[in-house]
Amino acid sequence: SQTIHQWPATLVQPVGSPLSLECTVEGTSNPNLYWYRQAAGRGLQLLFYSVGIGQISSEVPQNLSASRPQDRQFILSSKKLLLSDSGFYLCAWSPDTGNYYGYTFGSGTRLTVV
Amino acid sequence: AQSVTQLGSHVSVSEGALVLLRCNYSSSVPPYLFWYVQYPNQGLQLLLKYTSAATLVKGINDFEAEFKKSETSFHLTKPSAHMSDAAEYFCAVSEGNNDMRFGAGTRLTVKP
Repeated sequence: SQTIHQWPATLVQPVGSPLSLECTVEGTSNPNLYWYRQAAGRGLQLLFYSVGIGQISSEVPQNLSASRPQDRQFILSSKKLLLSDSGFYLCAWSPDTGNYYGYTFGSGTRLTVV
Repeated sequence: AQSVTQLGSHVSVSEGALVLLRCNYSSSVPPYLFWYVQYPNQGLQLLLKYTSAATLVKGINDFEAEFKKSETSFHLTKPSAHMSDAAEYFCAVSEGNNDMRFGAGTRLTVKP
């Protein structure tokens, strides 16, 4: 069966420090991968999605970036964190671009920038 | 672009009472619609989905939702609330191009 792993679960980082969050999917090939951010009391904001290795689409301008170095690995990065980057970051995957099957989410990373 | 509005950021019901969480959507094409549940500090779990088959969709844990095109609604219901249903619920819409959009969420509280 397919599983999605996301780490770390929690992270406290100072302003201006770099960030790297990792997400991996097991049990499937060529998944569509997504990074969402959930701010307190708000819904989910799509940050990036990827339909294949090296293919990244950005939904919102910000100081975050994403990379997909391997088929089932999706990385969210920042060179210098801002206070506004705090939030709950969720990785998700889908077997199809059309979203017919819905998404399977990882357990999330709670990032606090201090 | 498609969007979702969830009416009521907080809903409180008594155990055993009917649960009704409201969702209205906007889409320029026939949409795919979803309900997800999120427990504290966890990811989202798919409850049910509408993908243009039957308009009444049944999901896990006795939840169901009805697609009403004329009302652009996809409300979530459960006949009898359990304490374990306390969580945050998200409605989502997709037009089928890596573009799933989520509502702001509704926090469900179940009182004993």
